[in-house]
Amino acid sequence: QVQLVQSGAEVKKPGASVKVSCKASGYTFTSYYMHWVRQAPGQGLEWMGIINPSGGSTSYAQKFQGRVTMTRDTSTSTVYMELSSLRSEDTAVYYCARVLQGGYAAAFDIWGQGTMVTVSS
Amino acid sequence: SYVLTQPPSVSVAPGQTARITCGGNNIGSKSVHWYQQKPGQAPVLVVYDDSDRPSGIPERFSGSNSGNTATLTISRVEAGDEADYYCQVWDSSSDLRVFGGGTKLTVL
Repeated sequence: QVQLVQSGAEVKKPGASVKVSCKASGYTFTSYYMHWVRQAPGQGLEWMGIINPSGGSTSYAQKFQGRVTMTRDTSTSTVYMELSSLRSEDTAVYYCARVLQGGYAAAFDIWGQGTMVTVSS
Repeated sequence: SYVLTQPPSVSVAPGQTARITCGGNNIGSKSVHWYQQKPGQAPVLVVYDDSDRPSGIPERFSGSNSGNTATLTISRVEAGDEADYYCQVWDSSSDLRVFGGGTKLTVL
């Protein structure tokens, strides 16, 4: 079945970087855009950016420009999200999410289980 | 940037109809998607492109979109529908995906 499996929880110090992985299975990895969305404790959903697993092109929310890097490895059907210069406000659950039917502007139909990233000194 | 406005909470008795609104400037010209999120779980898509349902989502979930308001309607509400609901659009002018602030649905 189609699924996205993310890496485990992380605890980082302020100023450090974190890299979260999202391994896809059950479908053609390069045919569907992938997004990253985060959710701070008790807060709503916040879109971070999108990656095209086929060519690797990306588009990031302005808020994260310069701090976020999304990459992919087609040999393992895995996308990665690296966030640098971490601060306490980055403490959140980070989700990868696949688009429905491959469309660039489409809804997110399959979500990873989430990865908790805690930033604390 | 484009802003989506949802009521923080909606309450409804079991068996009744819940309506959750999502306001945005000329939102009727955009495709609106709705997600359900239960505590400790990832979001689940319940309505996409204003009014379509993914496979496995009950017909009790429906959507509409016109003018400045999109609406998620849940008919014959059940206790299991209690969750947070988020609307989402693609703002083509900025190439951003935007979420509403979320609405907590309480089943009385």
